[in-house]
Amino acid sequence: DAGVTQSPTHLIKTRGQQVTLRCSPKSGHDTVSWYQQALGQGPQFIFQYYEEEERQRGNFPDRFSGHQFPNYSSELNVNALLLGDSALYLCASSEVMASGGRTFFGPGTRLTVL
Amino acid sequence: GNSVTQMEGPVTLSEEAFLTINCTYTATGYPSLFWYVQYPGEGLQLLLKATKADDKGSNKGFEATYRKETTSFHLEKGSVQVSDSAVYFCALSDLSGNQFYFGTGTSLTVIP
Repeated sequence: DAGVTQSPTHLIKTRGQQVTLRCSPKSGHDTVSWYQQALGQGPQFIFQYYEEEERQRGNFPDRFSGHQFPNYSSELNVNALLLGDSALYLCASSEVMASGGRTFFGPGTRLTVL
Repeated sequence: GNSVTQMEGPVTLSEEAFLTINCTYTATGYPSLFWYVQYPGEGLQLLLKATKADDKGSNKGFEATYRKETTSFHLEKGSVQVSDSAVYFCALSDLSGNQFYFGTGTSLTVIP
């Protein structure tokens, strides 16, 4: 089992551009969450997708959007990039209604905005 | 609202020293509590968890007890190893189990 996979590993963009990050959940998992981890900080919840719909959202602007596909994989899109969007973006997968202990995190995508 | 406060680092210990990383939380209701570990260049790995008051989570020599009266979940290990060097995050999940709230992380370096 490959676990949670994310692509790309690293990405460099300039201000104002748009970016798409991708995540494949662990086999058997149907729920995907995205987190932003700024340097030296803990991860912050962006949103969660289940059954191809956004189920819960954290305190992030509408520039952050996502999508979940029928195979449960997911994308995170960020429009109009700001310098402050530079961070490690983590994807987490779980089974629906998991109690947290069955949540697995991917290695992350390091986004740098210049 | 929900939040987690953990001891700031960095923490540097000699091998075989005793480790404590403090964590306190604020939450509505009775959340589940977790410790995650992040090794350089890797994602978060669950270290241990506790789902109700007085539960003790343990794994790989690490322990933490869910203390409702002090709203704490301190991480301890009796004898650290060089391989324990990593960043440790305390976290809670909300009542829905859908969202984690993380502390800012504590960097641990263990020197031989």
